[in-house]
Amino acid sequence: EVVLTQSPGTLSLSPGERATLSCRASQSVSSSYLAWYQQKPGQAPRLLISGASSRATGIPDRFSGSGSGTDFTLTISRLEPEDFAVYYCQQYGSSPQTFGQGTKVEIK
Amino acid sequence: EVQLVESGGGLVQPGGSLRLSCAASGFTFSSYAMTWVRQAPGEGLEWVSGISGNAVNSYYADSVKGRFTISRDNSKNTLYLQMNSLRAEDTAVYYCARRAVTGLWYFDLWGRATLVTVSS
Repeated sequence: EVVLTQSPGTLSLSPGERATLSCRASQSVSSSYLAWYQQKPGQAPRLLISGASSRATGIPDRFSGSGSGTDFTLTISRLEPEDFAVYYCQQYGSSPQTFGQGTKVEIK
Repeated sequence: EVQLVESGGGLVQPGGSLRLSCAASGFTFSSYAMTWVRQAPGEGLEWVSGISGNAVNSYYADSVKGRFTISRDNSKNTLYLQMNSLRAEDTAVYYCARRAVTGLWYFDLWGRATLVTVSS
């Protein structure tokens, strides 16, 4: 199965700063079938990005996704207070679909 | 309102069984494949099982194959997960989720989860 490794494990930033999260796959992700989710404590994950770069409905444009092959990035251009959360990548190009272990974005 | 509501979690002894339910509302349930994803305490997300909209096809993670059975009743807009031979490592919150697009297993709607604790 495709193993996704997210880095860093924790990102400490201030509101207004730019966040760059990485997701690296153990093998090429077919057709850039990669999604990003946001999860806040006690809440269900929320879909942010699919197809590596397509924002889901209602997701602010400060969230952007990029990458292909084995290297993918989620960028939050300017952190808002509500953006401090854990972010997961997921590949769905190979069976079984798999998730990364998550990156926590915390307030510095 | 478009939503998924899980139920059926609880405390069960190792080797025991439990059936989870997920009630869907606000959308045409039978048109969507559905899935279960779990999250052990303090851990990341793990896909568990999925089922097609017409219930013809079902899929399982190796970690639960042969022990868990996914099913659905489209007349009741409800998804199920029958969990047998439970182990301590099955302890997690279990989310049901809706597959966003035909043929692509990513998920655009999630429930609030139900907690399963396997312990003696």
